[in-house]
Amino acid sequence: QKEVEQNSGPLSVPEGAIASLNCTYSDRVSQSFFWYRQYSGKSPELIMSIYSNGDKEDGRFTAQLNKASQYVSLLIRDSQPSDSATYLCAATPNAGKSTFGDGTTLTVKP
Amino acid sequence: GAVVSQHPSRVICKSGTSVKIECRSLDFQATTMFWYRQFPKQSLMLMATSNEGSKATYEQGVEKDKFLINHASLTLSTLTVTSAHPEDSSFYICSATTGTGISGYTFGSGTRLTVV
Repeated sequence: QKEVEQNSGPLSVPEGAIASLNCTYSDRVSQSFFWYRQYSGKSPELIMSIYSNGDKEDGRFTAQLNKASQYVSLLIRDSQPSDSATYLCAATPNAGKSTFGDGTTLTVKP
Repeated sequence: GAVVSQHPSRVICKSGTSVKIECRSLDFQATTMFWYRQFPKQSLMLMATSNEGSKATYEQGVEKDKFLINHASLTLSTLTVTSAHPEDSSFYICSATTGTGISGYTFGSGTRLTVV
C-alpha cells in the first residue's frame, strides 16, 4: 500500500463544474497536508495547505481534511480549462519530509 | 513568496559526459533541499534529500556515485549527473524548504536533460 494514494484519473469535468480530487494517507503521524498543481512539462507549484480538520477555502479552491478517516480532498469550483493539470497530494509529519501521491490528472473541457 | 531558481532549464549532453544542475533559494534559507526525477507521464520520484553542510541522503536504488549532490550553503544545492547515459534523460526538479517543512515545498522550474 502506498503511503499517499490518489486516483490517477484522468478526471474529466465540463467547464464550470466542480472538480473533486481525493487523497488518502496511511501514516497517522502526518500533520501537514498540501496540494500541488503540475502543468504538463512544468514543475509542481503549491496551491493549498491544510493542517486542521475541516475545510479551508482559498478562492475557487477548498481543501478538506479528515484526520480520523486519513482523508484529504481538494474541490475546485467553477472549473476552468486552465485548471487542467495533474494535482499532487502530499502528507508531512512534523519536521519531516513530505510524501507525495502519484497525482490525479484533471481535464476541464470547454 | 518563496522563490527557487533552477538552472539550466534544458541541457543536451553527449553520452559519458557530466552535467551539473544548480538549485538556489533566492529569498529564504533552505536548510533542506530535495532532488526529484520525473519521466514522462510518471510521478515524481525522490532521489535524495540534501541538508546544508552534510552528506545527502539517497533513496534506495539511487546511485550516489552517479548523482553527486552538494549542499554547500543555505541557498545552493547542486546535482551532478556523472557519466551520463541516454537512460538518464529525464526531468530533474529540485525543491527547497525551511527546516520543518511545515509551509510546504517550493519547487524549482526543473531541468530537462537529454543525453545523446
